[in-house]
Amino acid sequence: EAGVTQSPTHLIKTRGQQATLRCSPISGHTSVYWYQQALGLGLQFLLWYDEGEERNRGNFPPRFSGRQFPNYSSELNVNALELEDSALYLCASRGGQEFRNTIYFGEGSWLTVV
Amino acid sequence: GQNIDQPTEMTATEGAIVQINCTYQTSGFNGLFWYQQHAGEAPTFLSYNVLDGLEEKGRFSSFLSRSKGYSYLLLKELQMKDSASYLCAVRDIQEYQLIWGAGTKLIIKP
Repeated sequence: EAGVTQSPTHLIKTRGQQATLRCSPISGHTSVYWYQQALGLGLQFLLWYDEGEERNRGNFPPRFSGRQFPNYSSELNVNALELEDSALYLCASRGGQEFRNTIYFGEGSWLTVV
Repeated sequence: GQNIDQPTEMTATEGAIVQINCTYQTSGFNGLFWYQQHAGEAPTFLSYNVLDGLEEKGRFSSFLSRSKGYSYLLLKELQMKDSASYLCAVRDIQEYQLIWGAGTKLIIKP
């Protein structure tokens, strides 16, 4: 069974541009979480989608946005990129039927803003 | 407020035992997770505790005391590959999402 998949693995953008990151959850999982992890720092919660709707968002400006599609895959968009947006962006999925409701992470997308 | 505390960094010797502590203050509680994260990689699930007590899984064990808002991850027979960051996360039942600690960087020395 495939795990959480993310693309692209690496992305280099210039300041002011837009970046789009994609995530496919584990088959059967309906919840998708997005996290930002700057180098050497902890996980910062960005967004949570469940059943196609945004359920919660972290303390990030509106230029961080996303959506979840009918097949439960998700997209994270970052507009007007700033140098400090350079980080590892992790997607995780959760299946509501699992007893432990464990979340599983994808390998992440490295975004570098120059 | 909601808060999770873990030591920033710990050092241990190969073959030894190390205990990584996590204390939490959350508005609700619906389980505590431990994840391992090697540098530059995604976190991987290690353990889950929702009831008080010790859960053992091979070389790794996790303990929870809900009354004390406290958990620890115990790693035995340390190996060099255990060098990683260990993340503690609490599921807040009200918000139904995970609240993450900053992680503990574990350095294993020969």
